Amino acid sequence: QKEVEQDPGPLSVPEGAIVSLNCTYSNSAFQYFMWYRQYSRKGPELLMYTYSSGNKEDGRFTAQVDKSSKYISLFIRDSQPSDSATYLCAMSAANDYKLSFGAGTTVTVRA
Amino acid sequence: NAGVTQTPKFQVLKTGQSMTLQCAQDMNHNSMYWYRQDPGMGLRLIYYSASEGTTDKGEVPNGYNVSRLNKREFSLRLESAAPSQTSVYFCASSEAEGSGANVLTFGAGSRLTVL
Repeated sequence: QKEVEQDPGPLSVPEGAIVSLNCTYSNSAFQYFMWYRQYSRKGPELLMYTYSSGNKEDGRFTAQVDKSSKYISLFIRDSQPSDSATYLCAMSAANDYKLSFGAGTTVTVRA
Repeated sequence: NAGVTQTPKFQVLKTGQSMTLQCAQDMNHNSMYWYRQDPGMGLRLIYYSASEGTTDKGEVPNGYNVSRLNKREFSLRLESAAPSQTSVYFCASSEAEGSGANVLTFGAGSRLTVL
């Protein structure tokens, strides 16, 4: 069983819809939870990260962490065609150089 | 500001050939990493260098070697390429100091095909 599970999709939504992405994990030591966005044939880039449980909002993006359920989510409001990309969750324990990545979910926002 | 630069961007090898992927960062980061990305597998860590002068194995190190040449440069070598090493390789770097989140900055990737 992988440490981090992420549904690869693909997910196709109309412009303006809310996109909901999630990951589950098994390692209770994880403290940092990140979301990376990867455009086709590019490297991943950090979208946002949270520490421990709770919510974090950045513009149209909201990240949620539920450590009791070992479940994290990313919501994209008012989705745009420019949001079409693969979204990767990643997580690590405190003071750990190594990140564990999910497989990534490919999202297409239709104009 | 170039960030993380990888070369080459594309490479085709025959089984048994060797090659080195080069990576350089200009952000004065302490830590550097090599990942491979395969469909359905996500990013898997091959090797990392927590600081200049140190290297450690990641999740999938077999068939690879690395060299942290200096603070800026971290190379990945395939001594005898195998078709299973066909993948997209990403170099990344991070400050990795203190107890905060280890935020990685990635290069654009190197696509390797082994025939």
